[in-house]
Amino acid sequence: AQTVTQSQPEMSVQEAETVTLSCTYDTSENNYYLFWYKQPPSRQMILVIRQEAYKQQNATENRFSVNFQKAAKSFSLKISDSQLGDTAMYFCALEAGNNRKLIWGLGTSLAVNP
Amino acid sequence: ETGVTQSPTHLIKTRGQQVTLRCSSQSGHNTVSWYQQALGQGPQFIFQYYREEENGRGNFPPRFSGLQFPNYSSELNVNALELDDSALYLCASSLGGRAFNEQFFGPGTRLTVL
Repeated sequence: AQTVTQSQPEMSVQEAETVTLSCTYDTSENNYYLFWYKQPPSRQMILVIRQEAYKQQNATENRFSVNFQKAAKSFSLKISDSQLGDTAMYFCALEAGNNRKLIWGLGTSLAVNP
Repeated sequence: ETGVTQSPTHLIKTRGQQVTLRCSSQSGHNTVSWYQQALGQGPQFIFQYYREEENGRGNFPPRFSGLQFPNYSSELNVNALELDDSALYLCASSLGGRAFNEQFFGPGTRLTVL
């Protein structure tokens, strides 16, 4: 079975500081992708960053970067220079094998404080 | 380029009724996936349609059914509504195929079953 676990229900950070959100996963597939999605109060799910499992280099998108530890099945998201607009639910998700469905964690509610 | 749209935005039904939710995929996309997101939870995969055929299904009973039309828009139908069906229903469109293609999400339909 494929699972995604986010163990931090809520986190907060001061504006301009750095925060790291944790995610662990489990899959027996060799070919898979990992994602972080952001869901603001508007509810629309927005892709923040993605990582292909076969790539050793950690993905980076502007202020967002991941720490992908394949052996440990860990996939954390680092947000640098946090902004008020980063306040949202953040979901870690897994897509494995030829099955195009996404398996989601329970989410982490991030509050960026002024 | 038109994004993913869903209708209606909100819906209130009573137990035992039937509901149809609609999704228009992003221009050029031929795959639609539906997810159920209960309050405080991550999304759960319901099913996916690729070129008008069901292409995978999650652990949902048969009273959850769907359609995809020649223009790749899609419907989710739920019969015999239960209180636990109250949730945000998300649809996501993508360009199908074996290689990864990003799923783009609509704003969701909030269904309340009384």
